[in-house]
Amino acid sequence: EAGVAQSPRYKIIEKRQSVAFWCNPISGHATLYWYQQILGQGPKLLIQFQNNGVVDDSQLPKDRFSAERLKGVDSTLKIQPAKLEDSAVYLCASSSKSLAAGSYEQYFGPGTRLTVT
Amino acid sequence: AQKVTQAQTEISVVEKEDVTLDCVYETRDTTYYLFWYKQPPSGELVFLIRRNSFDEQNEISGRYSWNFQKSTSSFNFTITASQVVDSAVYFCALSGYEYSSASKIIFGSGTRLSIRP
Repeated sequence: EAGVAQSPRYKIIEKRQSVAFWCNPISGHATLYWYQQILGQGPKLLIQFQNNGVVDDSQLPKDRFSAERLKGVDSTLKIQPAKLEDSAVYLCASSSKSLAAGSYEQYFGPGTRLTVT
Repeated sequence: AQKVTQAQTEISVVEKEDVTLDCVYETRDTTYYLFWYKQPPSGELVFLIRRNSFDEQNEISGRYSWNFQKSTSSFNFTITASQVVDSAVYFCALSGYEYSSASKIIFGSGTRLSIRP
C-alpha cells in the first residue's frame, strides 16, 4: 500500500513570496490533515478535511494560509505572502475515518521543509 | 485545555541500555486517547501505540513497553536494550475520545533520543 505522498520535499523562498505544497493521501482515506512542525516542537494541526469539506481550520492563519481539497483526494496548502516565522516542516496525514466514536490512526507523509529567508 | 509535556528535551545513552521517555498530560475529558509517535531523521511520523483512557493495563511490544498511570496523568515509554536504530525524536500525544474531538491530536514537544554505539 503506497503511503502519503508530499511534494516538494524542500523549498527555500524569500519572505513575501508565495509557495504551495501538495499532498496525495493513502487511497481511500477520506480524512486529510495538514500540520505545521516548527523546529524543536511537536506538529500543530492547521486544517482537517473530511472528503472535500473543512472540518477544523481553527489554527490556520487565514490571512496568509489557504488549503483546498477540491475532489476529495489530493490537497494543496498555500502560503501567500510568506513570513520568516513560517519556516517549518509541513506534514500531511490521512486516515480512514470510522463512523464509530473513537480515535483512529493517522498516517503521515515525509513532509515539506520550508525555509523562508 | 489539553496539554502534553515531555520534560526531557534530549537523552543520550549507550547501546543496550534501557531508556524511559516521560510524558505527562493534562485534559478535562474523562475519556481520551494517548499516543506515541517516532520521527526518524527521514521526517515521517511513525505511529507506535494508541491507548484509551479506560484501559490502564501496561503494554509490551518486543523491546518497547508503555506504562499508563491515570492517577499521575503519565504515559511513559521504555525501550529495553536500546539499539542505534532507535535514535529518533519521540512524541507523546493526546486526543479526545468523542467523535467530534477524536481526530484532533495534541502533540508534546518531543524527546530526541540518541543511542551511541
